[in-house]
Amino acid sequence: GQNIDQPTEMTATEGAIVQINCTYQTSGFNGLFWYQQHAGEAPTFLSYNVLDGLEEKGRFSSFLSRSKGYSYLLLKELQMKDSASYLCAVREFNNKLIFGAGTRLAVHP
Amino acid sequence: NAGVTQTPKFRILKIGQSMTLQCTQDMNHNYMYWYRQDPGMGLKLIYYSVGAGITDKGEVPNGYNVSRSTTEDFPLRLELAAPSQTSVYFCASSEDSYGYTFGSGTRLTVV
Repeated sequence: GQNIDQPTEMTATEGAIVQINCTYQTSGFNGLFWYQQHAGEAPTFLSYNVLDGLEEKGRFSSFLSRSKGYSYLLLKELQMKDSASYLCAVREFNNKLIFGAGTRLAVHP
Repeated sequence: NAGVTQTPKFRILKIGQSMTLQCTQDMNHNYMYWYRQDPGMGLKLIYYSVGAGITDKGEVPNGYNVSRSTTEDFPLRLELAAPSQTSVYFCASSEDSYGYTFGSGTRLTVV
């Protein structure tokens, strides 16, 4: 079966660092994506991992361990505009993209 | 370059009515998808297509139908609308490499 788990909600302070975890069990694996979604808007692409290790992209980094079925998204130097939902998604071999329920991040001053 | 275009943006349906949500992409992508997103939840895959003439069920296909007669278009049909289909619907497209492009969504309410 398919199962993608991430925390429902997180809070953090402006300027701090936050790590959002994602664990997955899927019938196939061909890459893991992180998307950001502001309320009322479409998801926007943040990062992609297909090999183990860390991918860094400005203030955002994403890590993958395929053997553990685990990923995290690291957000540094948090800004108020980072308040959003963060969606972990696994791509299966037929190019289907399956999403977790998302983590709502609230950044406070 | 319009990307993925969804129409309409908003719609209110009465129980039992039918409608078609339109989705068009101009990137010549082979893969197209329909998702629904309930309030506070992630996206659930309804149907997807790997190319013109080929469609397959996703996680929550019941109550919906799709067709893919051209590469560009991937309409989603609701035959007998039910309150449980109140949701935001997103269409997306992709190629073999990473990079899924999402439309701006259709907010549907069934009353």
